[in-house]
Amino acid sequence: DSGVTQTPKHLITATGQRVTLRCSPRSGDLSVYWYQQSLDQGLQFLIQYYNGEERAKGNILERFSAQQFPDLHSELNLSSLELGDSALYFCASSVGGGLNYEQYFGPGTRLTVT
Amino acid sequence: AQSVTQLGSHVSVSEGALVLLRCNYSSSVPPYLFWYVQYPNQGLQLLLKYTSAATLVKGINGFEAEFKKSETSFHLTKPSAHMSDAAEYFCAVTLNYGQNFVFGPGTRLSVLP
Repeated sequence: DSGVTQTPKHLITATGQRVTLRCSPRSGDLSVYWYQQSLDQGLQFLIQYYNGEERAKGNILERFSAQQFPDLHSELNLSSLELGDSALYFCASSVGGGLNYEQYFGPGTRLTVT
Repeated sequence: AQSVTQLGSHVSVSEGALVLLRCNYSSSVPPYLFWYVQYPNQGLQLLLKYTSAATLVKGINGFEAEFKKSETSFHLTKPSAHMSDAAEYFCAVTLNYGQNFVFGPGTRLSVLP
C-alpha cells in the first residue's frame, strides 16, 4: 500500500458525459501527478501540481482539467468524454516537486466510456 | 522533444538467468532517466533513477542500470531473475524539473521456472 488513495476504483459512463476522479496523496506529500494508461497510447504523464499550483504539464487534453485543493487532495475532471478516453488513470504523490523525490502511485481508477 | 524506445515488448528469461531490458532515449540535452515496474493490477513503483550523478545506478530488488551517453542508453539489468520479477517495466525520461515525463511503451518480463 503506497498510501495514495484514488476514488472511485471503477467508473462506467457514456460518451459526452463528465466525470471527476479524486486523489488523496500520502500524508505530508505536497506534489500530485496524474497519468493516463491505455492500450493505444501507453502510459502518459498528464499534469503535476505542487502545493496547489500547477507545476508541469504533459499530454493533457483541453477537455481535461485538474486542480489541487488546500488540503492537498486533487481532482481530475474529464468532460465531453469519448470512447478513446477509456483508460486507467493513476495519481501519484511525492514530498517535493523536484526530480529527486520518489513518486508513490495509487491503485488507479479504471474509466470505461461506452 | 525527448523520446524513449524499449526494444522488445515481451522478454522471457529462465529463473536464475540474467535479465536485460533495453531502453534508448533521444534528447537534445542530458536527461533524467527512470525505470518503473508495474505488477498486475497495481500502480507503478520506482526501481531506480539517473539524475546526473553516478552513471551506474543501483535500485531496489537487485536491479541496476547504466547510463551510457555515447549510446543514448539506460538498460536495466539484474544478475539472476526471480519468479517475482515478472511484471511490466517502463523506462521514462524527463529533461528537467517541471518538464514533461515521457514513458517508453513498456516491456513485459516473463520468468520461466
